[in-house]
Amino acid sequence: QVQLVESGGGLVKPGGSLRLSCAASGFTFSDYYMSWTRQAPGKGLEWVSYISNSGRTTYYADSVKGRFTISRDNAKNSLYLQMNSLRAEDTAVYYCASFRYYGSGSYGPSHYWGQGTLVTVSS
Amino acid sequence: DIVMTQSPDSLAVSLGERATINCKSSQSVLYSSNNNNYLAWYQQKPGQPPKLLIYWASTRESGVPDRFTGSGSGTDFTLTISSLQAEDVAVYYCQQYFTTPPWTFGQGTKVEIK
Repeated sequence: QVQLVESGGGLVKPGGSLRLSCAASGFTFSDYYMSWTRQAPGKGLEWVSYISNSGRTTYYADSVKGRFTISRDNAKNSLYLQMNSLRAEDTAVYYCASFRYYGSGSYGPSHYWGQGTLVTVSS
Repeated sequence: DIVMTQSPDSLAVSLGERATINCKSSQSVLYSSNNNNYLAWYQQKPGQPPKLLIYWASTRESGVPDRFTGSGSGTDFTLTISSLQAEDVAVYYCQQYFTTPPWTFGQGTKVEIK
């Protein structure tokens, strides 16, 4: 069955860095686009970033652009999020999710989500 | 960016009664070339990740009970729970995934038992 398992969260000081990982199994990872979505404590969902199946195309929310970098290693069935210059407002549970791209700017929904990893930015 | 606005923010419904959640997008999420609405509904229970319920505005995800129905087109969408069960207590989110990101979510609607 499809499994997405995030790791790498923890407590970090403002201005610090953290690298999240998402290990995928149960599907052909290299066929799927991947995304990160976050949820601040007690708040709603915020889409953060996506990466194409090849890794060549990426998008970021304005709130993280220039600070976060999404990447993937298809040989290791893994997705990453490098987070630099962290701020208190980046405190959230970070979820990875998979989705399809159908071409011509047409995407599918995220059928599968990981359980999330908590990032806390505090001094 | 497309802004998604849900109403109400919360609602309390008696067991077995109907629950209706609305979602409005600031611009159409209907792709005219394939007539698909790029709108999904997710259910989130405390301590759990979002779970996909409905996509393309009205297609039920495999395994989702048929008491969950999505409807609407263009900018106005509705999620209906026809007969609320105790296990349906959750926060529900709509999300648009129309063309290039950012893909935005509604603020969420909390459904409780009256």
